[in-house]
Amino acid sequence: DTEVTQTPKHLVMGMTNKKSLKCEQHMGHRAMYWYKQKAKKPPELMFVYSYEKLSINESVPSRFSPECPNSSLLNLHLHALQPEDSALYLCASSQRQGGTEAFFGQGTRLTVV
Amino acid sequence: SQQGEEDPQALSIQEGENATMNCSYKTSINNLQWYRQNSGRGLVHLILIRSNEREKHSGRLRVTLDTSKKSSSLLITASRAADTASYFCATDWGVNSYSGAGSYQLTFGKGTKLSVIP
Repeated sequence: DTEVTQTPKHLVMGMTNKKSLKCEQHMGHRAMYWYKQKAKKPPELMFVYSYEKLSINESVPSRFSPECPNSSLLNLHLHALQPEDSALYLCASSQRQGGTEAFFGQGTRLTVV
Repeated sequence: SQQGEEDPQALSIQEGENATMNCSYKTSINNLQWYRQNSGRGLVHLILIRSNEREKHSGRLRVTLDTSKKSSSLLITASRAADTASYFCATDWGVNSYSGAGSYQLTFGKGTKLSVIP
């Protein structure tokens, strides 16, 4: 199994809602990532987890809250988002942090209304 | 910022022609990777070249790396309509730590949108 599975594929939420994005991999990878991608732009790193510990937080606003419950799962909790947060949110994993290829999920297309 | 710059931003070629995309970056790297993205969905890893390598091949792909110029190129030979996609270089850089986690991160360049016309 070389897949990274993200759910949901699409999400529309209001600015007062709370929602969560989920990501799962069963490749035994110990590093997992959240990226944000706006239209016609490259993916921008948000968070990195290494061995289930938060390794990098790229100064992401607190309305985005990551969680790594175990080595296979990664969540991104969303609260009080703004319309400018609408984007494609990509999850990725790799064997370890640094030095290896990353496997990406298909992303969650988020629209904040 | 470590973000790379790709050149050209957009490239349109006929099927069967070769496509060359270039990438420049700013700081020392652990390795450089190329990814492909179709229609704003997930990225697919194409090839990884380590900082001590100069050239690497994978099928119709050829990647070069010049660390003295901080640049890389991706050549796709005998292009097909199915190669139509956005291509991103990504630099793997950062500082390792004794805990094994470190600050390594993968930073993407701005991308080249390739259109292959049948």
